[in-house]
Amino acid sequence: QVQLVESGGGVVQPGGSLRLSCAASGFTFSSYGMHWVRQAPGKGLEWVAFIRYDGSNKYYADSVKGRFTISRDNSKNTLYLQMNSLRAEDTAVYYCAKDHGIVLALDYWGQGTLVTVSS
Amino acid sequence: QSVLTQPPSVSAAPGQKVTISCSGSSSNIGNNYVSWYQQLPGTAPKLLIYDNNKRPSGIPDRFSGSKSGTSATLGITGLQTGDEADYYCGTWDSSLSALVFGGGTKLTVL
Repeated sequence: QVQLVESGGGVVQPGGSLRLSCAASGFTFSSYGMHWVRQAPGKGLEWVAFIRYDGSNKYYADSVKGRFTISRDNSKNTLYLQMNSLRAEDTAVYYCAKDHGIVLALDYWGQGTLVTVSS
Repeated sequence: QSVLTQPPSVSAAPGQKVTISCSGSSSNIGNNYVSWYQQLPGTAPKLLIYDNNKRPSGIPDRFSGSKSGTSATLGITGLQTGDEADYYCGTWDSSLSALVFGGGTKLTVL
């Protein structure tokens, strides 16, 4: 069965950096695009970034462009999100999600990892 | 302010039917596939509908999706207390080159 397990969350000061990881299993990771989606406390879903199956194309929300970098290591079945210049408004639960592959839809989600940006 | 507009809340009695709307524009819903997600309290979102009206395996046929022009609708029949959750629509926005979600709709089963 598909499993996505995020890690790397924690408390970081404004202006700091953090790298999130998402370990994937139960499917051919190298054949699917992957997303990061976040949810601030008590708020709705906000898409963060998408990377194609081979890493050839990456897309970002305007709110994180230039500060966050999505990447993947298909040999390790792992997705990453490098987050720099963190702000208080980046505080959220960060989910990784698998793309459906045929149409744009997020068909499996991890349990999420909490990132708190605070001094 | 979300690119896709959903009602903040809807409610209905057990056994009844409810619909949740999602309004967008030609740059998103009008020219791209819509998906719907259910988020039960304290859990990760789950895909309910993709490609406007298709259900992943394991999703009961009480859940349905439709799209017309720049709007989409999620329908839920035979409401159960276990359906109480937040529901989100999502699609690609070609102008933004970004995936966009609606603001979410909280369903209460009275």
